[in-house]
Amino acid sequence: GAGVSQTPSNKVTEKGKYVELRCDPISGHTALYWYRQSLGQGPEFLIYFQGTGAADDSGLPNDRFFAVRPEGSVSTLKIQRTERGDSAVYLCASSLSDRVADTQYFGPGTRLTVL
Amino acid sequence: AQTVTQSQPEMSVQEAETVTLSCTYDTSENNYYLFWYKQPPSRQMILVIRQEAYKQQNATENRFSVNFQKAAKSFSLKISDSQLGDTAMYFCAFMKSSPQIQGAQKLVFGQGTRLTINP
Repeated sequence: GAGVSQTPSNKVTEKGKYVELRCDPISGHTALYWYRQSLGQGPEFLIYFQGTGAADDSGLPNDRFFAVRPEGSVSTLKIQRTERGDSAVYLCASSLSDRVADTQYFGPGTRLTVL
Repeated sequence: AQTVTQSQPEMSVQEAETVTLSCTYDTSENNYYLFWYKQPPSRQMILVIRQEAYKQQNATENRFSVNFQKAAKSFSLKISDSQLGDTAMYFCAFMKSSPQIQGAQKLVFGQGTRLTINP
């Protein structure tokens, strides 16, 4: 079946602009995760959803970052007033549930470049 | 807080050779999961192998096996009969085991090891 998909694949924006990054999880997966991967680093956790609610948003760096999942499927990560330091690959993952035994399946990511 | 350290930024071996990637971690938890993920140039993270800390037996998946040393907090990945398609970034990751613990569902990754398999 289809895996996790993310759009756009690449996004170039100017400092101060607003961006939205979209994630389509695997069908039937109730848990969804966002990670950020800076150049040369491992991914870092941002937020995870169980259903429609954000169960843990402790990784969001500041209030410019916000994520939603209104119908418990597709999620959108929103970044306001982008800064050059926001440039990174944003990875989305989903799992069948939020049980730790469930494997997280990752999408190909969105590469965000802030000029 | 948990930390994961991969001390080898890059490694390179010839095709068909065996290679071992190192990973150490720091945690006060007694029960947890450890993972190795592969990230090819396509950027998509792919699970290679996982280990549950309460299991003493080392996990194996075909050509991939781990050496889990709980007391030493070490979790190395061995790739046997390496293939060109194994060329990728490899990340070691940690996850707490209890969903009741805050932050249990997030993976904590190391910095990665870039592995190149040469023909």
